[in-house]
Amino acid sequence: EDQVTQSPEALRLQEGESSSLNCSYTVSGLRGLFWYRQDPGKGPEFLFTLYSAGEEKEKERLKATLTKKESFLHITAPKPEDSATYLCAVQAPNTDKLIFGTGTRLQVFP
Amino acid sequence: DVKVTQSSRYLVKRTGEKVFLECVQDMDHENMFWYRQDPGLGLRLIYFSYDVKMKEKGDIPEGYSVSREKKERFSLILESASTNQTSMYLCASNPSLAKNIQYFGAGTRLSVL
Repeated sequence: EDQVTQSPEALRLQEGESSSLNCSYTVSGLRGLFWYRQDPGKGPEFLFTLYSAGEEKEKERLKATLTKKESFLHITAPKPEDSATYLCAVQAPNTDKLIFGTGTRLQVFP
Repeated sequence: DVKVTQSSRYLVKRTGEKVFLECVQDMDHENMFWYRQDPGLGLRLIYFSYDVKMKEKGDIPEGYSVSREKKERFSLILESASTNQTSMYLCASNPSLAKNIQYFGAGTRLSVL
């Protein structure tokens, strides 16, 4: 069964303390892996799509990487405004659906 | 910017009521989706539509139906609301299934009493 697991469930960082969020997946023939950011009471906001192992994407303090089994979202020198829940989703072949993980809730303290 | 608008941010309904959740997108996207989001369970797909009047069941369609009479509008219907349908409901759209970046609305938090 196709599955997405995110870890940790929650992460507390001091401002400036870099870290990584993990998204591991079991799906054969990945068509795409997606990262979203979700603020409390709001809908998810698209961040990145990765399509093949070795691919990397960057946006401000965020960098997403992809291997054959997992993706990492690296946060460099985070700021309090980076506090949010980060969601990972995958698209398998022969399906139009995205399979979402349960997210990592990130809190960055000044 | 893509805009996906959900008609209500908060709704409170009684058990047995018929509930309509409306979603409108302004980018002429082909595909639209309805999810529910519950703590510890993540986003689960209820229904999606890839064309006007076309619909496909997602992972948890029981107790729900949908309507897509116009390209820009996708409605989720709870025929007889139950307390276990209390949840956050999220609508999304994307331009095509080949480019499956989904854009989400702000969500409707539904409470069924």
